[in-house]
Amino acid sequence: DVKVTQSSRYLVKRTGEKVFLECVQDMDHENMFWYRQDPGLGLRLIYFSYDVKMKEKGDIPEGYSVSREKKERFSLILESASTNQTSMYLCASNYPPEAETQYFGPGTRLLVL
Amino acid sequence: RKEVEQDPGPFNVPEGATVAFNCTYSNSASQSFFWYRQDCRKEPKLLMSVYSSGNEDGRFTAQLNRASQYISLLIRDSKLSDSATYLCVVTSNSGGYQKVTFGIGTKLQVIP
Repeated sequence: DVKVTQSSRYLVKRTGEKVFLECVQDMDHENMFWYRQDPGLGLRLIYFSYDVKMKEKGDIPEGYSVSREKKERFSLILESASTNQTSMYLCASNYPPEAETQYFGPGTRLLVL
Repeated sequence: RKEVEQDPGPFNVPEGATVAFNCTYSNSASQSFFWYRQDCRKEPKLLMSVYSSGNEDGRFTAQLNRASQYISLLIRDSKLSDSATYLCVVTSNSGGYQKVTFGIGTKLQVIP
């Protein structure tokens, strides 16, 4: 059974803080994704990675960066958190033979004050 | 126009009712189609794929109409446990990558 874990379920940070969200998958998946989910807007892709040390911008990369130093771990970084980054952040992974099925982590609810 | 459009609902239906959701997509070159289910405060999970020939999984039936660019999900004999948000998902090829686009979801509430 695929397992995708995220470092925190709930997080409260202050404006201007640097925030790290970690995601780990245990199925040797090559592809990993970071989304944010907001009411009325659905899931929006922030960044994705198809290999170690590889990253590609999604639809809304501004204000975010990512790191993929190991295959199983994909980190999302908010360099200077702002209140409009308050959201639910979801990590997902999959592998090319089933590239269209995504396995999601439980999500991190981030509140930026 | 949004790439994937869904009626957000909520759809409030009594137990045992049949309910159907539609989802329209704008990219005629879209390749694959799915329905995901998301329970309140949980992550999305794949419910079923949608094929041109249609497919059925128990009380759930999914269909694709490429000519009109929409997919549908039919739930028969609704159960309380079907209460969730149903996300329409469409994939397409974008710059050599598989682009996955999610709809905003349709909320279903099955009432006793």
